[in-house]
Amino acid sequence: AQSVTQPDIHITVSEGASLELRCNYSYGATPYLFWYVQSPGQGLQLLLKYFSGDTLVQGIKGFEAEFKRSQSSFNLRKPSVHWSDAAEYFCAVGGTGGFKTIFGAGTRLFVKA
Amino acid sequence: GAVVSQHPSRVICKSGTSVKIECRSLDFQATTMFWYRQFPKQSLMLMATSNEGSKATYEQGVEKDKFLINHASLTLSTLTVTSAHPEDSSFYICSASAGLVSYEQYFGPGTRLTVT
Repeated sequence: AQSVTQPDIHITVSEGASLELRCNYSYGATPYLFWYVQSPGQGLQLLLKYFSGDTLVQGIKGFEAEFKRSQSSFNLRKPSVHWSDAAEYFCAVGGTGGFKTIFGAGTRLFVKA
Repeated sequence: GAVVSQHPSRVICKSGTSVKIECRSLDFQATTMFWYRQFPKQSLMLMATSNEGSKATYEQGVEKDKFLINHASLTLSTLTVTSAHPEDSSFYICSASAGLVSYEQYFGPGTRLTVT
């Protein structure tokens, strides 16, 4: 069955430190992969997406993610975290043929000064 | 581009009344719209998928008579919570997709529903 796993419920990093949020997926074909960010009481904003091609994807706000097929992973990274990055991050997988997008449980990022 | 709005952003209603939530794609035509429900500190739960001019497809366990979805045009979908009860209190988020291939969804800002 298709699924998305975000192993970390919450992560705390210091401002200026690097960040990596993990995402593993299970999908029978080449997936469409997404990372979204949600601030409290807000909808979701797309950070980046992977459909095909270069496995290292650049997104907005300085985020990037790398698709690793062998590990079924799509981890999100940022070299230097800002306090404004504190939010909830969701990884999602979608596909063709009527396959619905499935969201991970989310990872809450806390940024300390 | 790709902006989705929701109205209202917050609504409080009394138990037994109905509430309508609007979802609009402002600068693109949405072939498909999705309605999600999000409980506190949890992920999004897909409630239904709607295509313009067609009946919505509801996920298992979602009462179609309670959550009425209308996708009357390529830019507007509405979710009506009928005979609302306190357990319907939640954060409802819509999203819209311009095509069937990419499944790239653009999300609205959400509607906080509180049923008293």
